[in-house]
Amino acid sequence: NAGVMQNPRHLVRRRGQEARLRCSPMKGHSHVYWYRQLPEEGLKFMVYLQKENIIDESGMPKERFSAEFPKEGPSILRIQQVVRGDSAAYFCASSQSREDTQYFGPGTRLTVL
Amino acid sequence: AQTVTQSQPEMSVQEAETVTLSCTYDTSENNYYLFWYKQPPSRQMILVIRQEAYKQQNATENRFSVNFQKAAKSFSLKISDSQLGDTAMYFCAFMGQTGANNLFFGTGTRLTVIP
Repeated sequence: NAGVMQNPRHLVRRRGQEARLRCSPMKGHSHVYWYRQLPEEGLKFMVYLQKENIIDESGMPKERFSAEFPKEGPSILRIQQVVRGDSAAYFCASSQSREDTQYFGPGTRLTVL
Repeated sequence: AQTVTQSQPEMSVQEAETVTLSCTYDTSENNYYLFWYKQPPSRQMILVIRQEAYKQQNATENRFSVNFQKAAKSFSLKISDSQLGDTAMYFCAFMGQTGANNLFFGTGTRLTVIP
C-alpha cells in the first residue's frame, strides 16, 4: 500500500511564475490536508479538503493561493505569481476520516529565485 | 486557540541511553488527540505515536512511550535505548475532536544521538 505521494519533490520558480504542487493520498483516504513549513519552524496548516470540496481554508493566504481535490486525480496546491517569501517546504497529509491519524507525504521544497 | 509548546529546542543523548522530550499544550476541549512526529534529515514527517485524550493508559510503540498528564496538559515522549537512527527533529502535535480541522504543531526539538 503506497504512502502519500507528492510531486515534484523540488521545484524552482522565478518571481512572478506559477507553482503547482501535487498530492496523491494513500489508498482509501479521502481527506487531504496541506501544511507549510518555513525553515527551522513547525508545520502550519493551510487547507483541508475532501473529494471535490474545500472544508477549511482558514490557514490559506487570501490571495495567490488556491487548492483543489477533484473527483479524479491528485489534490493540487496552486501558487500564482510566486514571491521569495513563498519559499518553503509544502507537505500534504491524508487520512481516512477527520479523527483518523494524518499520514504525511515527503513534501515539496519550493525555492523562489 | 490551541497552542503547543516544546521548550527544548535541542537535546542530545548517548546511544543506548534514555531521553525524554517535553511538550505542553493549551486547549479548552475535553476530547482531543495528541501525536509525536519525527522528521529526520530526509525531511519526511513520520508518525511516532498517537494518544487519545479519553484513554488513561499511556501509548507505547516499541522503544517509544509517552507520559500523558491530562490535568497538567503535558505530553512528553520517552525514547529508550536510543539509536543513531533516532537523530531527528521531533514535533509534538494536537488535534481537537471538535473545532479546528487540523493539527497544531510545536516548534520542534532537535535530538542528536551521540555514538
